[in-house]
Amino acid sequence: DAGITQSPRHKVTETGTPVTLRCHQTENHRYMYWYRQDPGHGLRLIHYSYGVKDTDKGEVSDGYSVSRSKTEDFLLTLESATSSQTSVYFCAISGTAYVGYTFGSGTRLTVV
Amino acid sequence: QQQVKQSPQSLIVQKGGISIINCAYENTAFDYFPWYQQFPGKGPALLIAIRPDVSEKKEGRFTISFNKSAKQFSLHIMDSQPGDSATYFCAASSGQAGTALIFGKGTTLSVSS
Repeated sequence: DAGITQSPRHKVTETGTPVTLRCHQTENHRYMYWYRQDPGHGLRLIHYSYGVKDTDKGEVSDGYSVSRSKTEDFLLTLESATSSQTSVYFCAISGTAYVGYTFGSGTRLTVV
Repeated sequence: QQQVKQSPQSLIVQKGGISIINCAYENTAFDYFPWYQQFPGKGPALLIAIRPDVSEKKEGRFTISFNKSAKQFSLHIMDSQPGDSATYFCAASSGQAGTALIFGKGTTLSVSS
């Protein structure tokens, strides 16, 4: 989607290895979010950020950490990937109240 | 527990028919209710949204009906087309800037021609 990009788009990694997913925005939005999407579970919030260096946990934060050192970048790290973290990961951004999110195109992560 | 319950999980509708997807929420502090549409391999995209000060909002063939007392809202797709085949998510939040959306589990809609 215009203004927000995720990388990589696809990744296969081995159990126990660290993995970092990147979300980059050009909209200068204050708020950024990481969700995971799994069949039967919909979209579940992992972590979110309300400014540079300001982050908080979501519903399914165990096993994940995030960092935001610049307004435009929000990184999601799996410290030691497990098979249960195989999922599609979406980043989203928002700027003001009541206008909804803009989502990235997602990263499909497979942990083998 | 803040939840948004969405039904049905899947839906098959004939071309030209009406598709109806329902959601229910628990948290009375929620005051922003968007619907997202997602095509395979893509991220969800905002379709239409409503706030509790109105009972209905219409944009083209898409209508949200909102029942504040029942804490329910629904998406109606009139004259459903094969191009509407996608996964639809309802969501809710307090609407304040930065408040995270709570999503339903999604409904996969197939419109048969």
